[in-house]
Amino acid sequence: EAQVTQNPRYLITVTGKKLTVTCSQNMNHEYMSWYRQDPGLGLRQIYYSMNVEVTDKGDVPEGYKVSRKEKRNFPLILESPSPNQTSLYFCASMERGPGANVLTFGAGSRLTVL
Amino acid sequence: AQTVTQSQPEMSVQEAETVTLSCTYDTSESDYYLFWYKQPPSRQMILVIRQEAYKQQNATENRFSVNFQKAAKSFSLKISDSQLGDAAMYFCAYRRAQGGSEKLVFGKGTKLTVNP
Repeated sequence: EAQVTQNPRYLITVTGKKLTVTCSQNMNHEYMSWYRQDPGLGLRQIYYSMNVEVTDKGDVPEGYKVSRKEKRNFPLILESPSPNQTSLYFCASMERGPGANVLTFGAGSRLTVL
Repeated sequence: AQTVTQSQPEMSVQEAETVTLSCTYDTSESDYYLFWYKQPPSRQMILVIRQEAYKQQNATENRFSVNFQKAAKSFSLKISDSQLGDAAMYFCAYRRAQGGSEKLVFGKGTKLTVNP
């Protein structure tokens, strides 16, 4: 089944404790991206990657890091989490090229930073 | 920068009735794509329908259809014969066709309640 898999789905952590949210896709998509969803704000892009070893900042990158060493994986790293990073996080992937290609989302990761 | 506005934070509809969700967007681009995503209580983001700006014909997917007015920069979603399973948060989204980060720009969402 074609899918984007995120882990963990739920996480409660404390301020300053480094954490990584993993993301893997099995569709051989070049493009991957991370979004965060907050009430009343919709979804906002954190980082994106056009291909292996090519990453760039989205609209809200502060406090996050990413890497793209393999095509299928795109982990999101919070080096020193803070309470304002409490949010619902989505990883997504998409086939690149012309046309209204669809961004396929993972199931989401609910992160709480105390 | 492109923006997407959903002016209805909440809407409700009776089962089997029709409801229309509004979406407007702001862009200086002539070629772009528009999407409606559904987010049920499970939180999964599910594509409902998509529209390419260069196509004048409105997209339809079963009970879901759009009214795409390019000059007015409007992209409303019509749900016909509403079902209980349609209850969800609905997000309108925009993506430019060429260049940039290929990001989706989302509206803030409309929460749809379906009453039995």
